[in-house]
Amino acid sequence: DVVMTQTPVSLSLAIGQPASISCKSSQSLLGTSGKTFLNWILQRPGQSPKRLIYQVSKLYSEVPDRFSGSGSETEFTLKISRVEAEDLGVYYCWQGTHFPNTFGAGTKLELK
Amino acid sequence: EVQLVESGGGLVQPGRSLKLSCAASGFTFSNYGMAWVCQAPTKGLEWVASISTGGGNTYYRDSVKGRFTISRDNAKNTLYLQMDSLRSEDTATYYCARNWFDYWGQGVMVTVSS
Repeated sequence: DVVMTQTPVSLSLAIGQPASISCKSSQSLLGTSGKTFLNWILQRPGQSPKRLIYQVSKLYSEVPDRFSGSGSETEFTLKISRVEAEDLGVYYCWQGTHFPNTFGAGTKLELK
Repeated sequence: EVQLVESGGGLVQPGRSLKLSCAASGFTFSNYGMAWVCQAPTKGLEWVASISTGGGNTYYRDSVKGRFTISRDNAKNTLYLQMDSLRSEDTATYYCARNWFDYWGQGVMVTVSS
């Protein structure tokens, strides 16, 4: 299975600060279709996961543009330009290029 | 509005069975592959099983192969997970999700304990 490694494990930031989360995969996530199925989801406290970003950098329609995703092959990054209170929770990267789908262990964003 | 509502969780003894259901609405259910994802207490997310649009193709993680069965009823817009020979390590919240994890249910807790 493809191993997804996220760093840091946790992040403590004040409102308005930028955030950056790294996700590395044990194999290239570039698929035979030419697409890279690296995605991000957010699980707020006590809630089910919610979609954020798909195929590395494409934001779902309801996601604020302070979020951005980048990367290629095996190294990916989620950035928040200015953290807001509603952004706290656990961020997971996950890959859909190789069977089975696998998730990173998560990065917990806490407010300072 | 897309909604996925799980039901059927609870406390069950090791070796016993449980069947989870996921009622879908707000989208054309038969057009989407579906999946179950679990989250053990205080742990991360793990894919459990997936099923194709028509139900003809099913996929499982190794630890549940032969014990769990994913199925769907497109006429009832419902996804199922039959869980047999349950083990303590199956204790988790189980989420129903569309295949690309773009929509998730609220989750249902399964506790396997004597």
